[in-house]
Amino acid sequence: SYVLTQPPSVSAAPGQTARITCGGNRIGSIGVHWYQQKPGQAPVLLVYDDSDRPSQIPERFSGSRSGSTATLTITRVEAGDEADYYCHMWDHISEHHLLGGGTKLTVL
Amino acid sequence: EVQLVESGGGLLQPGGSLRLSCAASGFTFGSFPMDWVRQAPGKGLEWVSYINSAGKSIYYADSVKGRFTVSRDNAKNSLYLEMNSLRAEDSAVYYCVRDGLVAGDFDHWGQGTLVTVSS
Repeated sequence: SYVLTQPPSVSAAPGQTARITCGGNRIGSIGVHWYQQKPGQAPVLLVYDDSDRPSQIPERFSGSRSGSTATLTITRVEAGDEADYYCHMWDHISEHHLLGGGTKLTVL
Repeated sequence: EVQLVESGGGLLQPGGSLRLSCAASGFTFGSFPMDWVRQAPGKGLEWVSYINSAGKSIYYADSVKGRFTVSRDNAKNSLYLEMNSLRAEDSAVYYCVRDGLVAGDFDHWGQGTLVTVSS
């Protein structure tokens, strides 16, 4: 079955930039979305349609896509950004929503 | 304010059945597609099912197809998930999720309800 591939973990020091990738060869035909999930909480939408951001999400969170890889970039990382991050897309071929395996961001 | 409140979770034995409900408020429920997404303890998110705004287009993850049934009652602003032939691997927090109308993202999530399948 088709999957979205994320690195299991990423780390960054406070003030630095963290980048989390999401790979899949059907990426590009439809937008990718990103979510943040903190322990014990429901996920929150960070970025939709590759690079759009809900109004309440800080500009430090941004998304991009190049070829078959989507990237979530977090600038000026803060301790409060430590969380799991998931990518997501609708696969029109299988008619399934696909979710990446998640990436744990550790703030050093 | 958009609110999604799940209920119906609990502890049950393998082979059992359970019906989850999601009460929606703060938006025009009948205009939005909805999904169920689950998360096993310590694991990642797994999409379970999709239902469009009218309840006519329905899709399921392969892992639950034939055992789970999603439905909605737009008059009652409610989403349901009927789960049958439950297995230990169905143990998870089940989230009720609203689809964004423009891009198909999951723009609002409930707090989840825990289902535990164990003998």
